[in-house]
Amino acid sequence: GDSVTQMEGPVTLSEEAFLTINCTYTATGYPSLFWYVQYPGEGLQLLLKATKADDKGSNKGFEATYRKETTSFHLEKGSVQVSDSAVYFCALIPPKRSSYKLIFGSGTRLLVRP
Amino acid sequence: DTEVTQTPKHLVMGMTNKKSLKCEQHMGHRAMYWYKQKAKKPPELMFVYSYEKLSINESVPSRFSPECPNSSLLNLHLHALQPEDSALYLCASSRNRAGGSYEQYFGPGTRLTVT
Repeated sequence: GDSVTQMEGPVTLSEEAFLTINCTYTATGYPSLFWYVQYPGEGLQLLLKATKADDKGSNKGFEATYRKETTSFHLEKGSVQVSDSAVYFCALIPPKRSSYKLIFGSGTRLLVRP
Repeated sequence: DTEVTQTPKHLVMGMTNKKSLKCEQHMGHRAMYWYKQKAKKPPELMFVYSYEKLSINESVPSRFSPECPNSSLLNLHLHALQPEDSALYLCASSRNRAGGSYEQYFGPGTRLTVT
């Protein structure tokens, strides 16, 4: 079945370090791919999305590129801030007619130290 | 505006109580969702409403009863809950068109504690 695999956390970085959070997926066809962020005590916020191969989603300095050949959607940021500390979820929606179900990865906790 | 609102923010209830969670969106979305999230886990889908009709029930116990009174509102009625039902309950909404896979927008959640 469709699934998402994320790298285990926590990821601990110093401020201004480069961030990569790996995400790979299993799905038939071309799913839509998403990154969500959850700050402590809050709901999920959509960070970025990509709906077809080679699309690059970007927002707030974060980027991810839809790689069909490697079935990946890795999240990157050039210089992290303390305020980026949160849990990041990679997710997909399968490419089925009227598909609603978001399939999440397990989440990766990011801790950025000053 | 991509805001989904939820009330209350926190709720403590006994196992014999009846309570309701409320969710509202004004983005014109016609799909609305309830999720349950336990600590350090991703959200788990409970229910999906499409055009105000229940379209998906992920085998949720009957002590959870969803309701969609209109296209902007979604309720979750709670009755005779168990302590293991304590979790963050998230509401979400999205556009709804056959063949489309649209992003879901989440509310801030209701932190439920069952005593």
